[in-house]
Amino acid sequence: EVQLVESGGGLVQPGRSLRLSCAASGFTFDDYAMHWVRQVPGKGPEWVSGISWNSDSIGYADSVKGRFTISRDNAKNSLYLQMNSLRAEDTALYYCAKDMAQQLTPWFDYWGQGTLVTVSS
Amino acid sequence: QSVLTQPPSASGTPGQRVTISCSGSSSNIGSNTVNWYQQLPGTAPKLLIYSNNQRPSGVPDRFSGSKSGTSASLAISGLQSADEADYYCAAWDDSLNGVVFGGGTKLTVL
Repeated sequence: EVQLVESGGGLVQPGRSLRLSCAASGFTFDDYAMHWVRQVPGKGPEWVSGISWNSDSIGYADSVKGRFTISRDNAKNSLYLQMNSLRAEDTALYYCAKDMAQQLTPWFDYWGQGTLVTVSS
Repeated sequence: QSVLTQPPSASGTPGQRVTISCSGSSSNIGSNTVNWYQQLPGTAPKLLIYSNNQRPSGVPDRFSGSKSGTSASLAISGLQSADEADYYCAAWDDSLNGVVFGGGTKLTVL
C-alpha cells in the first residue's frame, strides 16, 4: 500500500524558515518524480514544486522561487521542502504527492494527508 | 485568479449526466494533456482522469474526460450522491514551466 506521510509543519513567524519532510513507502521511490502541492482551506490546490526521479529536473511555482528548495533522498525514501523567508501568504496545508512518471507531469496518483503550515506573528 | 477557468458550481439529480468545463490557453491545455481531480470534504485530492481521458485503476467508467483546443470537460454519468465533491482540472503550463490548477467546481447532487 502506497503511503506518503508529511511532517514538519507548524506555526512560524514571518521571515523564518521551516523544513517539511515526506516519508514514502509501498512503492519504488526512486522510480518516480515527486511534488509538493499546497492548499488554503476553501481554495483550490496550488502546485509548489516538483523534482524528477533522479533530481535532474526541478521546478518551482513563481510564488516560491528563490525562497523554497525541494530535494529528495532516494536512499531514505524521503522528499523534503526547505522553506525560507516565509510569508503570511504561504499559510496552507502542504501535501506531498507522487507523480505517475519519472519526469515532472501533473499526474499525481497518490497524496499524503498534508501538514499544516501557519505563518503568523 | 486561477490560470485554468472552471465554473464555481454545478448540480444534477441522481442518475443524471453532468459536465464540468475547464478553459485554458495555448501554453497549457492547448499544448498539454488535462487531468481531473476529485476532492471529497476533509480529504486530499484524488486523481480521477489523466492524459485527457485515461482513468486510473479503480475509477468507475462513469467518469470520462475530453479535450478540444484550449478547453476540456469532465463528464459524470449516472450521478450518485457520493459524487458530491469539488472537482479540479490541472495541466502543465509551458510558459510557467509548472503545473496549473483550475479554481474548482463544487458539484451538488440534488
